[in-house]
Amino acid sequence: DAKTTQPPSMDCAEGRAANLPCNHSTISGNEYVYWYRQIHSQGPQYIIHGLKNNETNEMASLIITEDRKSSTLILPHATLRDTAVYYCIVNAGGTSYGKLTFGQGTILTVHP
Amino acid sequence: NAGVTQTPKFQVLKTGQSMTLQCAQDMNHNSMYWYRQDPGMGLRLIYYSASEGTTDKGEVPNGYNVSRLNKREFSLRLESAAPSQTSVYFCASWERTDSGQFFGPGTRLTVL
Repeated sequence: DAKTTQPPSMDCAEGRAANLPCNHSTISGNEYVYWYRQIHSQGPQYIIHGLKNNETNEMASLIITEDRKSSTLILPHATLRDTAVYYCIVNAGGTSYGKLTFGQGTILTVHP
Repeated sequence: NAGVTQTPKFQVLKTGQSMTLQCAQDMNHNSMYWYRQDPGMGLRLIYYSASEGTTDKGEVPNGYNVSRLNKREFSLRLESAAPSQTSVYFCASWERTDSGQFFGPGTRLTVL
């Protein structure tokens, strides 16, 4: 699986959009970009994933660049409960049986 | 619908003792996973089971064994615990048609 690079930490004001970047310059054509988050010491929670098109769900939006070498997770209206570690993971999905490789992620702190 | 459950939540062992961590899911998922998370680090895959009756090693399998008891249950065994196995252990399940893995709440293990 391709390696990802994320900033170690970011801050965001409550109510503002949080934009979390991820670099995955060695991504392969069959690899998806997944985002998970981990609140405090709970189990990770799936947020969103995409292959090459932008995706949106009730939690977030995922913007993938045309060359697929980077992506941005957008939390449109961050709340205090969004404070967590966010992991960007590149994975070939079914062909790799979903074996995820977690890096150290980005610690997002949402301030009042 | 409980999702992924893990027992016990906390455990303290002495070096050399053995124990089994239990995991069960009620989502009829085919694939199940065991991860460990050391302080300040991302999760690392120990073992996984792509489907009932199969198990395979992940990134850090040494010192562990697993059993896929049936489609619902996937256990992790430490035969002779070592202080280096002090960690938080997460179980997860996944179905290829689903978007992301579902994680349990974790087992916090301390080996003295």
